[in-house]
Amino acid sequence: KQEVTQIPAALSVPEGENLVLNCSFTDSAIYNLQWFRQDPGKGLTSLLLIQSSQREQTSGRLNASLDKSSGRSTLYIAASQPGDSATYLCAVKRYDSGGGADGLTFGKGTHLIIQP
Amino acid sequence: GAGVSQSPRYKVAKRGQDVALRCDPISGHVSLFWYQQALGQGPEFLTYFQNEAQLDKSGLPSDRFFAERPEGSVSTLKIQRTQQEDSAVYLCASSLDVSMRAFFGQGTRLTVV
Repeated sequence: KQEVTQIPAALSVPEGENLVLNCSFTDSAIYNLQWFRQDPGKGLTSLLLIQSSQREQTSGRLNASLDKSSGRSTLYIAASQPGDSATYLCAVKRYDSGGGADGLTFGKGTHLIIQP
Repeated sequence: GAGVSQSPRYKVAKRGQDVALRCDPISGHVSLFWYQQALGQGPEFLTYFQNEAQLDKSGLPSDRFFAERPEGSVSTLKIQRTQQEDSAVYLCASSLDVSMRAFFGQGTRLTVV
């Protein structure tokens, strides 16, 4: 059974710092990997999607990398801002029994606070 | 619509009561997913539809949980004889195709008392 672990569970840093969030997964047979942001009381917002054949994706100040063979992904946030404060969730899309894509398996998230 | 819409946003049910949670996906999205998120945890997969076909229901925790999408658009998650451990946020997501980026609704917070 696929398991996704995120480290650290919580992180508090001053505004302006660059930071790295870590995600690891136990089964390397993944369809893709996604990073989401969740604000309190709200749904999830998709930030980046990396296909299993890709190594990284970038969007603005965010960069996500994927090392499928070692079961690891990192989310790099440059020049952090107070508005980046949220919970960041890593999720891997698994294969179903027929070899197609299926649902997502999520980690528990990293709760990030950016201090003004 | 502009996004995935879920209703109600909040539901309080007495133990033993049946509840129905509704999800309106983004128009044209073929794939629809339900997830359950307990407090302080990541979402857990419940079930997945491709159009009206329920292709995977392996995550449904018991036979008290039932989901349907009869016309391949709106979906309903039904929980019979609710129990306290069913208290959670239920999230619905849709995507153009199962392999593509998923868009989530704001969720329904269910509290069983």
